[in-house]
Amino acid sequence: DTAVSQTPKYLVTQMGNDKSIKCEQNLGHDTMYWYKQDSKKFLKIMFSYNNKELIINETVPNRFSPKSPDKAHLNLHINSLELGDSAVYFCASSHPWGVAGAGGYEQYFGPGTRLTVT
Amino acid sequence: AQTVTQSQPEMSVQEAETVTLSCTYDTSESDYYLFWYKQPPSRQMILVIRQEAYKQQNATENRFSVNFQKAAKSFSLKISDSQLGDAAMYFCAYRRLGGGSNYKLTFGKGTLLTVNP
Repeated sequence: DTAVSQTPKYLVTQMGNDKSIKCEQNLGHDTMYWYKQDSKKFLKIMFSYNNKELIINETVPNRFSPKSPDKAHLNLHINSLELGDSAVYFCASSHPWGVAGAGGYEQYFGPGTRLTVT
Repeated sequence: AQTVTQSQPEMSVQEAETVTLSCTYDTSESDYYLFWYKQPPSRQMILVIRQEAYKQQNATENRFSVNFQKAAKSFSLKISDSQLGDAAMYFCAYRRLGGGSNYKLTFGKGTLLTVNP
């Protein structure tokens, strides 16, 4: 009963290739995210979708393109991979808001995809 | 822009002892959310505890509790009776209220906690 799943968990590829990472959540959340964790473990938001609509698009090279076919799925496609794209990519999901004092707005993370570009 | 600072890159604690991890943040907002996430070697990001800024009462979850000082913009995590399984990277995170781009989490750089047997 995995809540947020990502495939693949590991991805090794060569520079210049195009690759995709898939994410699915079964929590019934409306909002999904992509975060990047660099080699120093720093986590930064890349994109967010709310009910299939793009709501956050941080300063990310346009080689990265998210797609949300429905509110339970968010995929990340990366064109022309570069060495600097090597990182761990996390998918997450949440309700956009919760019940005051009772939470419900927390973000739940997938297991991450370690991308290595050689 | 909001920033989150964790001033302790590494901390260590003896098993069964108590340790406190520090976090400060910068915001001009009056209401917001704060979180602590744990990332063990498995890489999974696990929510440890959350705090709504409008609540004066400090959040607690079993052995984990926070000391939320709103005026000082400080949000420290206390782990009591430390266990070997608590060894992990701990991240403090901030989220604004409201919709749209406010949903994103802003993370600190993390504190690596070692638990010694």
